[in-house]
Amino acid sequence: EDQVTQSPEALRLQEGESSSLNCSYTVSGLRGLFWYRQDPGKGPEFLFTLYSAGEEKEKERLKATLTKKESFLHITAPKPEDSATYLCAVLKTGANNLFFGTGTRLTVIP
Amino acid sequence: KAGVTQTPRYLIKTRGQQVTLSCSPISGHRSVSWYQQTPGQGLQFLFEYFSETQRNKGNFPGRFSGRQFSNSRSEMNVSTLELGDSALYLCASSRDHSYNEQFFGPGTRLTVL
Repeated sequence: EDQVTQSPEALRLQEGESSSLNCSYTVSGLRGLFWYRQDPGKGPEFLFTLYSAGEEKEKERLKATLTKKESFLHITAPKPEDSATYLCAVLKTGANNLFFGTGTRLTVIP
Repeated sequence: KAGVTQTPRYLIKTRGQQVTLSCSPISGHRSVSWYQQTPGQGLQFLFEYFSETQRNKGNFPGRFSGRQFSNSRSEMNVSTLELGDSALYLCASSRDHSYNEQFFGPGTRLTVL
């Protein structure tokens, strides 16, 4: 059965304390893995797309990496404004829709 | 560049009623997808339209339907509302089916009483 699992469910960090969020997936053929950020009361905001194992993408304090079984979203020296729920989603071979994980709720404390 | 817009932003209905939600994609985007987001189930795919054709449908009952117009604007309809339909309904658009850089609207918060 196809699954997308994000961990941890919630994470509290001190400002400047770097960490990583995990998205593990079991799908029959990966076409793409997507990271989004969602603020309360808003729609998800696109961050990255990764297509193949070994690929990395960076944006400001965020860096996404992909292996054959999981993806990591590394947050370097986070700031309070990085507080949000981070969602990952996969698009598998033969499918025409994204399948989302349940997200990691990140809180960065000043 | 204007983002994805959804109307209305908030809606309160009673059980048994029906509702129509509207989504205007980013200019030039031909693919529109709809999702339901609840605290318990997270983001779940409803359906996707591309060039006025429904390409894919998620695992939702037939009470949920949608359509897309020639200008790529899309509507979704839920008939015979149930309490469990209370959710944030999100629309997302992208240029094509690759889902690369899919942009979401702010959502419509539907409450069913």
